[in-house]
Amino acid sequence: GQQLNQSPQSMFIQEGEDVSMNCTSSSIFNTWLWYKQDPGEGPVLLIALYKAGELTSNGRLTAQFGITRKDSFLNISASIPSDVGIYFCAGTQYSGGGADGLTFGKGTHLIIQP
Amino acid sequence: DSGVTQTPKHLITATGQRVTLRCSPRSGDLSVYWYQQSLDQGLQFLIQYYNGEERAKGNILERFSAQQFPDLHSELNLSSLELGDSALYFCASSVAGGRNEQFFGPGTRLTVL
Repeated sequence: GQQLNQSPQSMFIQEGEDVSMNCTSSSIFNTWLWYKQDPGEGPVLLIALYKAGELTSNGRLTAQFGITRKDSFLNISASIPSDVGIYFCAGTQYSGGGADGLTFGKGTHLIIQP
Repeated sequence: DSGVTQTPKHLITATGQRVTLRCSPRSGDLSVYWYQQSLDQGLQFLIQYYNGEERAKGNILERFSAQQFPDLHSELNLSSLELGDSALYFCASSVAGGRNEQFFGPGTRLTVL
């Protein structure tokens, strides 16, 4: 089945640093989404991307839909302690007629060092 | 708070048993999705319902089934449970019809002993 390759698997950063993570696929996706999950909770939607080349921001977060439609990245600027968590990319090959299930990456575990 | 509710939050049961997980979507959302999250498999899509009808199937076992009722809440039934079914089960909902912004509930943690 489809797979999303997300990297890095984990990141150890200092507070205030910028963060970058990405997701690639061997298949074309029509939608890319980025979620954050805290321990014991459900994933929370951060950014949704619908067009190739689209660049979208949500506060300190910026994500882009790759031109080839096979990749996406998420940047977090000036990280703060509450950014700690697991970030997931997700995609769908939805093309009309109703939504489809999401394919998820394995996640990037963001850890902020004191 | 996403507006998606799931019950129960925790469920502990024995192998061979059957359980039912319940989900209420956000107000106005017609689509409900079920996902399983485990350490080895990550987040996996199981099944989608749209306005009461099955719309898409993912990696759902034959021992698992779901339905969506006229009031749009959904139930996921897991039967003949095995140890490997222990996982977090999430429900998500979306408006459907062109956008894939799925909003997740808090999940049900299933432990099979």
